[in-house]
Amino acid sequence: DTGVSQDPRHKITKRGQNVTFRCDPISEHNRLYWYRQTLGQGPEFLTYFQNEAQLEKSRLLSDRFSAERPKGSFSTLEIQRTEQGDSAMYLCASSLVGSFDEQFFGPGTRLTVL
Amino acid sequence: GDSVTQMEGPVTLSEEAFLTINCTYTATGYPSLFWYVQYPGEGLQLLLKATKADDKGSNKGFEATYRKETTSFHLEKGSVQVSDSAVYFCAPPLSGNQFYFGTGTSLTVIP
Repeated sequence: DTGVSQDPRHKITKRGQNVTFRCDPISEHNRLYWYRQTLGQGPEFLTYFQNEAQLEKSRLLSDRFSAERPKGSFSTLEIQRTEQGDSAMYLCASSLVGSFDEQFFGPGTRLTVL
Repeated sequence: GDSVTQMEGPVTLSEEAFLTINCTYTATGYPSLFWYVQYPGEGLQLLLKATKADDKGSNKGFEATYRKETTSFHLEKGSVQVSDSAVYFCAPPLSGNQFYFGTGTSLTVIP
């Protein structure tokens, strides 16, 4: 396995458009996390799944954001009606419950909202 | 809830200087602790970890000891190199579903 992958790596969109990102975790990992990172800041937690169940979602997360992990493998993060403030790097990480919760991060998807 | 407090940067050191980045935590129980590193233009990667009290994690010359009595997990390196320039994150305990990386500590090593 080559690690966590994310697609696309870069996305430029116009304000008001919807965007969807995909994350493929390490195959045997049952936990999957989404974070957002802006310049000069650390990763900000958005949500996480254990298998297909979404167990926690940040209270700061707008209703325009939604995430799914329908079969407990890959996950998608959708942002509806994008705003310029959504411009950031969106990071995905995965971990194996019981393996000390070490998270493995993907390379991220950089979103630019014009 | 569980949380970490990390020394703020930026930190600038000369090559071969000694590095310490402080990190203290509050947690229920004794969770595993991690340091992650983000090199310029790259994603986060695990630098080292400790899974129980008094454990010492080490990698690439970096060390951190899980101190239960002082609730600390300070990162140290005896002789930094230019290639160590990066942002370092003391990662949160994952118990209680609290996930907070903070702003990290930016390290610049000059020749």
